[in-house]
Amino acid sequence: EIVLTQSPGTLSLSPGERATLFCRASQSVSSSFLAWYQQKPGQAPRLLIFGTSNRATGIPDRFSGSGSGTDFTLTISRLEPEDFAVYYCQQSGGSPRTFGQGTKVETK
Amino acid sequence: QVQLVQSGVEVKKPGASVKVSCKASGYTFTSYGISWVRQVPGQGLEWMGWLSGYNGDPNYAQKFQGRVTMTREISTSTAYMELRSLRSDDTAVYYCAREIMAIIDYWGQGTLVTVSS
Repeated sequence: EIVLTQSPGTLSLSPGERATLFCRASQSVSSSFLAWYQQKPGQAPRLLIFGTSNRATGIPDRFSGSGSGTDFTLTISRLEPEDFAVYYCQQSGGSPRTFGQGTKVETK
Repeated sequence: QVQLVQSGVEVKKPGASVKVSCKASGYTFTSYGISWVRQVPGQGLEWMGWLSGYNGDPNYAQKFQGRVTMTREISTSTAYMELRSLRSDDTAVYYCAREIMAIIDYWGQGTLVTVSS
């Protein structure tokens, strides 16, 4: 099983600041099979990024993804109030598909 | 628009079974798979398995093998997830989600299943 470890666990930032979230895999993941999701309290997750760097439909361009092999990054260039949430990375290259434990982006 | 509407809250006793439904609309049901993901309250996401859109064949996470069955009814565009021999640690929100080429793009609203004696 591919274990995904996200860091930091919590990121305390102010609106307008840049957020950088990390996801490290226990073994190499094809870049085609790494995704990021955003989840707000009481809501289902929402797809942000698929294939490491492709924004899903309707996702603003302040969200970007990068990485390869075992190290992947989600960057939010300038935090908007609605971006404060929990973010999960997920790999679907191996079975079972696995998620990271999440990074909470909270208001400083 | 794509919608996945799940069945309502369930309360079950330990040892019982639960069957959650997921009705899809706004797209061609057989062109996409359905994944099931659960989330224990306050915790992260756990993938349970996937049902092929092409032929309905399931692929279960080993953790749930023997205890879960995922099926679909094409005529009503509905997918089902049955979990048996429920334990208290199965208390979670269960999500269905649309999937194509291993990309999970749309999610249902979730179904809370509480297992308690």
